[in-house]
Amino acid sequence: KAGVTQTPRYLIKTRGQQVTLSCSPISGHRSVSWYQQTPGQGLQFLFEYFSETQRNKGNFPGRFSGRQFSNSRSEMNVSTLELGDSALYLCASSLNGGQGNEQYFGPGTRLTVT
Amino acid sequence: GEDVEQSLFLSVREGDSSVINCTYTDSSSTYLYWYKQEPGAGLQLLTYIFSNMDMKQDQRLTVLLNKKDKHLSLRIADTQTGDSAIYFCAETSNSGYSTLTFGKGTMLLVSP
Repeated sequence: KAGVTQTPRYLIKTRGQQVTLSCSPISGHRSVSWYQQTPGQGLQFLFEYFSETQRNKGNFPGRFSGRQFSNSRSEMNVSTLELGDSALYLCASSLNGGQGNEQYFGPGTRLTVT
Repeated sequence: GEDVEQSLFLSVREGDSSVINCTYTDSSSTYLYWYKQEPGAGLQLLTYIFSNMDMKQDQRLTVLLNKKDKHLSLRIADTQTGDSAIYFCAETSNSGYSTLTFGKGTMLLVSP
């Protein structure tokens, strides 16, 4: 069974631009969560989607948004990029996002904002 | 609030046992996880334990949970150079969701 895939793997953007990252979960998984990883703040939860609905959200500004499609694939969007948005963005999939669900992570998208 | 803390660095020799420690503050934590991250890679789920258990063994990995002290440890037996990586402890609270709260990670360096 294929793992979680994320595209692109690397991205360089300029301040003020916007970016869209994509995540394809493991087949049969319906929950997708996004995390931001930075050296200073570590791993922080962004949001979780299940059945095309955002079900849970972390403490990030409205510039960070996402969506999920009917095939469970998810995208996240960051608008008006800031230097501090440079990070590794990880997505994780699980069967239904319930407690005890094993979450499997993709390789991440490394975003650099200049 | 929720907080998960880990020591930042551990160095061991190949063949020794490694013990990575983690403490958490959320008394409603239900599941506790260990993930491994190698350079340039995502997170690999190693093992997890439910909060009503005190020990779980999986091949070379042993997880010990002291719920009273909110202390979790991961023991790796016969540590190999391929075990060199960053290890993250994470917990899910009793919120009904699988949202993970992570520690800052422990870098394990295994020398030959």
